[in-house]
Amino acid sequence: DQQVKQNSPSLSVQEGRISILNCDYTNSMFDYFLWYKKYPAEGPTFLISISSIKDKNEDGRFTVFLNKSAKHLSLHIVPSQPGDSAVYFCAASGNNAGNMLTFGGGTRLMVKP
Amino acid sequence: GAGVSQSPSNKVTEKGKDVELRCDPISGHTALYWYRQRLGQGLEFLIYFQGNSAPDKSGLPSDRFSAERTGESVSTLTIQRTQQEDSAVYLCASSPGLMDEQYFGPGTRLTVT
Repeated sequence: DQQVKQNSPSLSVQEGRISILNCDYTNSMFDYFLWYKKYPAEGPTFLISISSIKDKNEDGRFTVFLNKSAKHLSLHIVPSQPGDSAVYFCAASGNNAGNMLTFGGGTRLMVKP
Repeated sequence: GAGVSQSPSNKVTEKGKDVELRCDPISGHTALYWYRQRLGQGLEFLIYFQGNSAPDKSGLPSDRFSAERTGESVSTLTIQRTQQEDSAVYLCASSPGLMDEQYFGPGTRLTVT
């Protein structure tokens, strides 16, 4: 059973517009959430994170929102740029000794010029 | 500085053969993680090391999988008697400590024919 789900396998957005990537989780023990960006043939790179004590974290064009009651988080990218085209993975960790990350299946974002 | 490196970048092997995948973490990082990504799926956690110790091996898919780490640096993931379902990209990540951000390597693409 997938504990972290990204229900949209792909998303296409026009340059300059907002990209919204969504993620749902089922494990209430998760207390730290991350977004990773992955280009082909490269490992994932850390983008932004949020602790469960917050509901919003912003870093430049990237904002992550967390709705704990709905067990839902989203990543907003505004304005979107063609270089943002990549696969975005949502990940969660929580109260485990190893800080292992549980990943969603990823959403492929395509930003059209 | 140098990031996480993995070798080989690609490996094609016949079913039933053993393979060894290598990970060189960022110097000084005490925590090291192995994940795999099967085609069309998200990243799946396999095992982590704190120093040279792997406290929890329950994430390994079967007893054909083993991992070791020596000298708080290099780690090897060994798959014995490979099966076609082992085909995946195997990703290694390291972090300064267990609760720090994980930095990923480019992965090893394993294809079992």
